[in-house]
Amino acid sequence: SYVLTQPPSVSVAPGQTARITCGGNNIGSKSVHWYQQKPGQAPVLVVYDDGDRPSGIPERFSGSNSGNTATLTISRVEAGDEADYYCQVWDSSSDHYVFGTGTKVTVL
Amino acid sequence: EVQLVQSGAEVKKPGESLKISCKGSGYSFTNYWIGWVRQMPGKGLEWMGIIYPGDSDTRYSPSFQGQVTISADKSINTAYLQWSSLKASDTAMYYCARPKDSSSWGAFDIWGQGTMVTVSS
Repeated sequence: SYVLTQPPSVSVAPGQTARITCGGNNIGSKSVHWYQQKPGQAPVLVVYDDGDRPSGIPERFSGSNSGNTATLTISRVEAGDEADYYCQVWDSSSDHYVFGTGTKVTVL
Repeated sequence: EVQLVQSGAEVKKPGESLKISCKGSGYSFTNYWIGWVRQMPGKGLEWMGIIYPGDSDTRYSPSFQGQVTISADKSINTAYLQWSSLKASDTAMYYCARPKDSSSWGAFDIWGQGTMVTVSS
């Protein structure tokens, strides 16, 4: 089955840039979506189809995808960005959704 | 407003059955897939399966095939997740979610609030 690997944690100072990676075999050929989940809340979509943002999501959130790695970039990090982040793809070979292992972003 | 509203928290004993629900509103329920996602305490998101209420086409993750049943009643815009015999390891938060595009599998832009299921003797 298709596996998506994320770093368990990323720490970043306020105002700096956080980059969260999502590794998968030839993930560049798939559409990658990213979710933010704060404690006690349902996940929220922050980036879809590699780099598009839903309405209401700040431009500070951006995404890229190439080769075997997709990346969620959070620019000018704020305290409110502290959360768990998950990548997701639809694996066409198995007709299944797959979530990444998740990354906890800590704002120092 | 487009929303998914899930049924309330449940506390059950091992071996009991359970059916939780997810009611959609504000959109054409039959034209969008509805997925279910498990989150065990302190753990990540796991995709369980998905159903198309228009024709009840259903797909399961291999990890959950045979362990749960996903269904939908389009007459009342509601999707269901059910267990015939719960185990302690089924203790988790369960979310329903809807892809942003009709009739396709894409990013989940609408999520229910979650249903906490606790299985304990």
